[in-house]
Amino acid sequence: EIQLQESGPGLVKPSQSLSLTCSVTGYTITSGYDWSWIRKFPGNKMEWMGYISYSGSTNYNPSLKSRISITRDTSKNQFFLQLNSVTTEDTATYYCARESGPFDYWGQGVMVTVSS
Amino acid sequence: DIQMTQSPPSLSASLGDKVTITCQASQNINKYIAWYQQKPGKAPRQLIRYTSTLVSGTPSRFSGSGSGRDYSFSISNVESEDIASYYCLQYDNLPYTFGAGTKLELK
Repeated sequence: EIQLQESGPGLVKPSQSLSLTCSVTGYTITSGYDWSWIRKFPGNKMEWMGYISYSGSTNYNPSLKSRISITRDTSKNQFFLQLNSVTTEDTATYYCARESGPFDYWGQGVMVTVSS
Repeated sequence: DIQMTQSPPSLSASLGDKVTITCQASQNINKYIAWYQQKPGKAPRQLIRYTSTLVSGTPSRFSGSGSGRDYSFSISNVESEDIASYYCLQYDNLPYTFGAGTKLELK
């Protein structure tokens, strides 16, 4: 069974970087598909942030392009989100998901609050 | 970016009712729309992809239709386990974009 699990700090200070990990079990991320980060804001709006493909290429939402980086560690079957220069508007629940036309498997989500 | 206008924001239904949610895209999305169910504290669950294809495990009381810019999602014979929020997602063009969601409540 394919499972995704997000992990990372639940509290980040403004202007710092947000770093999250998605650990995947049951499927090798280099075997296929794109691996995305998606977030849901407190008002329930959802936003696709970007993905890293099975080959390692990335694609980001232009709204975040200057602040976001998605990388991976294939030896650990993990991929990562880094979001720089966060503000309170980045407070959200962050999900990782597999994109297979479209998102079929999701993690449970991790709530991240940006606050001093 | 393609804007997805989802309505209504909330819906009140009795058990056994049929309910319909609509999403209108700001441009033709070639039927590349999916529908998700989300319950509090849980990850979204894919119900339908490519407008009307039910994902494995989706009960047949769920259905989807549409083309071009206009799409709809229905639940016939609402059951208590259907109480949740529902979102549409267009995956025709990057960046993928979601509708604002519809909260289904029991009357």
